[in-house]
Amino acid sequence: GAVVSQHPSWVICKSGTSVKIECRSLDFQATTMFWYRQFPKQSLMLMATSNEGSKATYEQGVEKDKFLINHASLTLSTLTVTSAHPEDSSFYICSARGGDNTEAFFGQGTRLTVV
Amino acid sequence: AQSVSQHNHHVILSEAASLELGCNYSYGGTVNLFWYVQYPGQHLQLLLKYFSGDPLVKGIKGFEAEFIKSKFSFNLRKPSVQWSDTAEYFCAVNFHNFNKFYFGSGTKLNVKP
Repeated sequence: GAVVSQHPSWVICKSGTSVKIECRSLDFQATTMFWYRQFPKQSLMLMATSNEGSKATYEQGVEKDKFLINHASLTLSTLTVTSAHPEDSSFYICSARGGDNTEAFFGQGTRLTVV
Repeated sequence: AQSVSQHNHHVILSEAASLELGCNYSYGGTVNLFWYVQYPGQHLQLLLKYFSGDPLVKGIKGFEAEFIKSKFSFNLRKPSVQWSDTAEYFCAVNFHNFNKFYFGSGTKLNVKP
């Protein structure tokens, strides 16, 4: 299958700082990227859907100003957690797909710990 | 609103038992359907997917799933489970008209040796 690379795989940051997570599609053009967070022993919760060149669509309850998503090119989307707090500590996963009727491929995830 | 439901939260089986995990979704439009597995400490792995055609889909590791459109269901099955199938299983649905890709809450499967 296609490859989606997510970086970094883990990050520890101080409370109040911002963290950027990158999601790249390595061998295909990703028209749509999805961002999820997964709490321990829970499922993946969709945070937002982004289409290249347009604003992300956020799920209800997800703060747009806290979780900034940029999808500036067909191979790169970024999630920036602004003014991170310990409750933002979680596992963040991106997925990307090339078109409506295609499979989405997942990045390896980013473990964020805010101390 | 679109949603994906997995009603079995925790299933315990003995080796060689048959498995069926339920997955239902809420929307009647065009969907693509997936089952993923997450082994302890590992990342998601695709088991199988349905886009169109034969509603009975065969995946890896002996798993299969059947799409029943009238029931909005995509149940996962395996005739004979092994201890190595112990993992968490997630159903996921791509809702076309809404450009959403949602996961169910997951089913934790424990297979006793």
